[in-house]
Amino acid sequence: GDSVTQMEGPVTLSEEACLTINCTYTATGYPSLFWYVQYPGEGLQLLLKATKADDKGSNKGFEATYRKETTSFHLEKGSVQVSDSAVYFCALSPSGNTPLVFGKGTRLSVIA
Amino acid sequence: DSGVTQTPKHLITATGQRVTLRCSPRSGDLSVYWYQQSLDQGLQFLIQYYNGEERAKGNILERFSAQQFPDLHSELNLSSLELGDSALYFCASSALAGGGSAKNIQYFGAGTRLSVL
Repeated sequence: GDSVTQMEGPVTLSEEACLTINCTYTATGYPSLFWYVQYPGEGLQLLLKATKADDKGSNKGFEATYRKETTSFHLEKGSVQVSDSAVYFCALSPSGNTPLVFGKGTRLSVIA
Repeated sequence: DSGVTQTPKHLITATGQRVTLRCSPRSGDLSVYWYQQSLDQGLQFLIQYYNGEERAKGNILERFSAQQFPDLHSELNLSSLELGDSALYFCASSALAGGGSAKNIQYFGAGTRLSVL
């Protein structure tokens, strides 16, 4: 079945460091891909999305590119801040008519 | 604020008991989804309702049930609770019937943390 695999955490970075969180997927067809973020004590918020191959989603300095050839959707940010500390979830929508499939989440801690 | 409201925020109960979790979707959203987040299983889809009707079913146990009312709020009922049911339960809503496409973004509530002792 469809699945999402993302790098295990936790990830600890110093402020202004570069971030990459790896995400790969298995799906039939052409899924839409998402990154959600969960700040402490809150629900999940959509961070960015991409709907087709080579699309780049971006928001709040974060970027991810839909790579069909490598079935990947890695999350990147050039300079992280303490306020970016959260759990990040990669997800896919197989066909648009089925619920989201999530990765297990990666906890990011950014220290000043 | 996502506009999705879940109550209660925390629930502590004993094994064998029954609880009800409540979700009010964003204004105008017709779909409601329930997810369970646990340390070992991650975020798992349980069930989806659209405009009062069950739309999709995931890894939901037979001891669990849900419904969506005419005012579109939803309740998740968990019965014969076991220690392993302790988890964070999220509700999400979206405008359309589709599960989670780029045109049908899911908005999540803050969750209900259930502790079964």
